[in-house]
Amino acid sequence: QVTLTESGPALVKPTQTLTLTCTLSGFSLSSYGMRVSWIRQPPGKALEWLARIDWDDDKYYSTSLKTRLNISKDTSKNQVVLTMTNMDPVDTATYFCTRDLLRYSIIDYWGQGKVVTVSS
Amino acid sequence: DIQMTQSPSSLSASVGDRVTITCRASQSISRFLSWYQQKPGKAPNLLIYATSHLQSGVPSRFTGSESGADFTLTISSLQPEDSATYYCQQSYSTPYTFGQGTKLEI
Repeated sequence: QVTLTESGPALVKPTQTLTLTCTLSGFSLSSYGMRVSWIRQPPGKALEWLARIDWDDDKYYSTSLKTRLNISKDTSKNQVVLTMTNMDPVDTATYFCTRDLLRYSIIDYWGQGKVVTVSS
Repeated sequence: DIQMTQSPSSLSASVGDRVTITCRASQSISRFLSWYQQKPGKAPNLLIYATSHLQSGVPSRFTGSESGADFTLTISSLQPEDSATYYCQQSYSTPYTFGQGTKLEI
């Protein structure tokens, strides 16, 4: 059974760095073709893709956010970590961790989401 | 970045109706187009991938197709539980991009 579980702070202050952890179960990011993407959704708005890390440690980022994002993996813990620097109130959103498969390039499993509020 | 233009932004229909939602990509995305259903407070759920492949467990009243640059999600014989917001997404190249969503009211 595939599950992804996001964890991290619910509240961060402006200018702080957000660190979110995604714990994977039911699959390994070290297996060929496995990838993990982070996606966010501000309240009442559309989905926005942020970053992806692949089984071979290739990394990809949102064009508009790439200077603020870093994605990494710890395969021994089966975890993926996303950091976003210089947080602003407009970054208030639900952050989703997802499984992304090389085959057909599909996102087939989502975590439940982590609500993050940026406020002083 | 590839832009995904989704229409309509909202629609209202009745149980048993057939509805169509369309996405247009700003450049070729081959067939790397997925459709998701999202209900309030929940994560999106994959319905269709690679333009027309039905995800396991998704009812067959959901179908996906392509015509030129337009990708279409069709829901035949609407059910009350189909009330949700629907998103298209291209995965042809990173950064992945989503449509703006279609809110469907039954």
